[in-house]
Amino acid sequence: DQQVKQNSPSLSVQEGRISILNCDYTNSMFDYFLWYKKYPAEGPTFLISISSIKDKNEDGRFTVFLNKSAKHLSLHIVPSQPGDSAVYFCAASDSTGANNLFFGTGTRLTVIP
Amino acid sequence: EAGVAQSPRYKIIEKRQSVAFWCNPISGHATLYWYQQILGQGPKLLIQFQNNGVVDDSQLPKDRFSAERLKGVDSTLKIQPAKLEDSAVYLCASSLDRVSYGYTFGSGTRLTVV
Repeated sequence: DQQVKQNSPSLSVQEGRISILNCDYTNSMFDYFLWYKKYPAEGPTFLISISSIKDKNEDGRFTVFLNKSAKHLSLHIVPSQPGDSAVYFCAASDSTGANNLFFGTGTRLTVIP
Repeated sequence: EAGVAQSPRYKIIEKRQSVAFWCNPISGHATLYWYQQILGQGPKLLIQFQNNGVVDDSQLPKDRFSAERLKGVDSTLKIQPAKLEDSAVYLCASSLDRVSYGYTFGSGTRLTVV
């Protein structure tokens, strides 16, 4: 059962515009959410996270928004750059459990120069 | 700081053969994870170690998969015998402790079972 879902397998955006990647989850016990970025032949790299006590977290060009009532989070990248082209994974964790991460299936972002 | 090291990078074996993967976590990281990533899917946890003890192996197919973390540092993951559906990238990750969420992944081992 997929507890974390990324329904868009791919997204193409022009350089300089905003990229919005979406993620939905089903487990109401999840209280910590992360985004990872993955280049080919490399392991995922931690990008940004958010705790369930917040609804927004910013780090430079990257902002994550959390809507707990909708069990939805999104990653905004502004402005998008060609180097942002990668696969982005959403992940979630229940801190009362074993601290394991449950990953979505990923969204491949292509930023067109 | 050196990253998480994994070897080999690639492995091709025939079904029913055995294979082993090695992981060296970041120095000082107490928690070590093995994830399986099948093509087109997100990583799925196989096993989590805290130092040299197993915290969670509920998703590990124990009839064919085994893992150990001797002395709380390096870890090996073994598959015996391998099946076609084991073809995947096997990712090792480590973190300082169980409450550090942004853990660091290695580059993975791509296994192809033919």
